[in-house]
Amino acid sequence: DAMVIQNPRYQVTQFGKPVTLSCSQTLNHNVMYWYQQKSSQAPKLLFHYYDKDFNNEADTPDNFQSRRPNTSFCFLDIRSPGLGDAAMYLCATSRVIGGRNNEQFFGPGTRLTVL
Amino acid sequence: AQKITQTQPGMFVQEKEAVTLDCTYDTSDQSYGLFWYKQPSSGEMIFLIYQGSYDEQNATEGRYSLNFQKARKSANLVISASQLGDSAMYFCAMSGYSSASKIIFGSGTRLSIRP
Repeated sequence: DAMVIQNPRYQVTQFGKPVTLSCSQTLNHNVMYWYQQKSSQAPKLLFHYYDKDFNNEADTPDNFQSRRPNTSFCFLDIRSPGLGDAAMYLCATSRVIGGRNNEQFFGPGTRLTVL
Repeated sequence: AQKITQTQPGMFVQEKEAVTLDCTYDTSDQSYGLFWYKQPSSGEMIFLIYQGSYDEQNATEGRYSLNFQKARKSANLVISASQLGDSAMYFCAMSGYSSASKIIFGSGTRLSIRP
């Protein structure tokens, strides 16, 4: 089945130690997104790629970076995690941005703990 | 600017009853789409239903239907014959049709089904 896969599902890191979260998709969608979601809150968009074009949200901290080496894979790098970065990180894809039926398909998420 | 409002932080419903989750929105776009997502405790965001602003019929997907009232700018989700597995967080979301549009989410409603 076509899907969005995130690894690992749970990640523990130490304060200040760089960490990378990965996302892959078999949907062949053009757009990939990274969201941060804290407990009982709506997902907050960090950035997205439309093909190779990277789009950063204005309030995304510089501590967060992303790479998309090909259509299928996208990575979230947190350069120096702080305690406030502990959250669920959701990867999503969509065929296009805007237009009809541009629903996003989400992966299962990676829950990040910062010690 | 676009905005989604969900005024019910939490709801309790008896199993097998129907439930309506409220969602109102604000946008200056003429063309837009409305979505509902379900997020169980496992964390994955599951797409439920989509309604386009120009769709004349209310969207339905199995036990889910969307009560779309364009003049009131509301897009309530109706779940018929609720089941224990419906217990989850539910997010209403919206996206415009322009190429720059991204999905924005409401704050969510936590639905709990009582046996």
